[in-house]
Amino acid sequence: GQNIDQPTEMTATEGAIVQINCTYQTSGFNGLFWYQQHAGEAPTFLSYNVLDGLEEKGRFSSFLSRSKGYSYLLLKELQMKDSASYLCAVIDSNYQLIWGAGTKLIIKP
Amino acid sequence: ETGVTQTPRHLVMGMTNKKSLKCEQHLGHNAMYWYKQSAKKPLELMFVYNFKEQTENNSVPSRFSPECPNSSHLFLHLHTLQPEDSALYLCASSQMDDRGNTEAFFGQGTRLTVV
Repeated sequence: GQNIDQPTEMTATEGAIVQINCTYQTSGFNGLFWYQQHAGEAPTFLSYNVLDGLEEKGRFSSFLSRSKGYSYLLLKELQMKDSASYLCAVIDSNYQLIWGAGTKLIIKP
Repeated sequence: ETGVTQTPRHLVMGMTNKKSLKCEQHLGHNAMYWYKQSAKKPLELMFVYNFKEQTENNSVPSRFSPECPNSSHLFLHLHTLQPEDSALYLCASSQMDDRGNTEAFFGQGTRLTVV
């Protein structure tokens, strides 16, 4: 079967750095997305990785290792508004999105 | 107008009611999706429409009935639902072509409560 694993919940301190991991086992791979979802709101696109390596976008970076079936989302200089759920999703060989359950990130002052 | 719009935002319905959820996208995308999001569970893909043709139906009970009259509009018709159907229902759109699929853009969702 297809599976995406993420930690259920993480806690970090304002101003710090946090890394949210995602491991996947899917039938094929055509890219990986990270989305942010605030409570009661729609998921919004953060990043897309299809090749190995690090993609940096402001305070957020996303890393991919296809050989390890592994990605992480790195958030720097954490702000209170970063409190949200972070969803990892993989595009499989049929170009279907397979979603993780999301990681709830709690930021404390 | 925002990219993907869903109405209503909140819906409470009895198990014998019939209601419809509406989704509209203004992004010119050719694919639209219905997802169900329950607490602490992954997003569950329910239906996919590509160029108005339904391409996926992931074993969704017949009490959920989708309709896609054109590439910009998507409906989810609900009837005789069960309390376990209470969830956030999200609509999304993307652009599909020979190279694959762009990122999905989501609507704000409809919070459905079945009583």
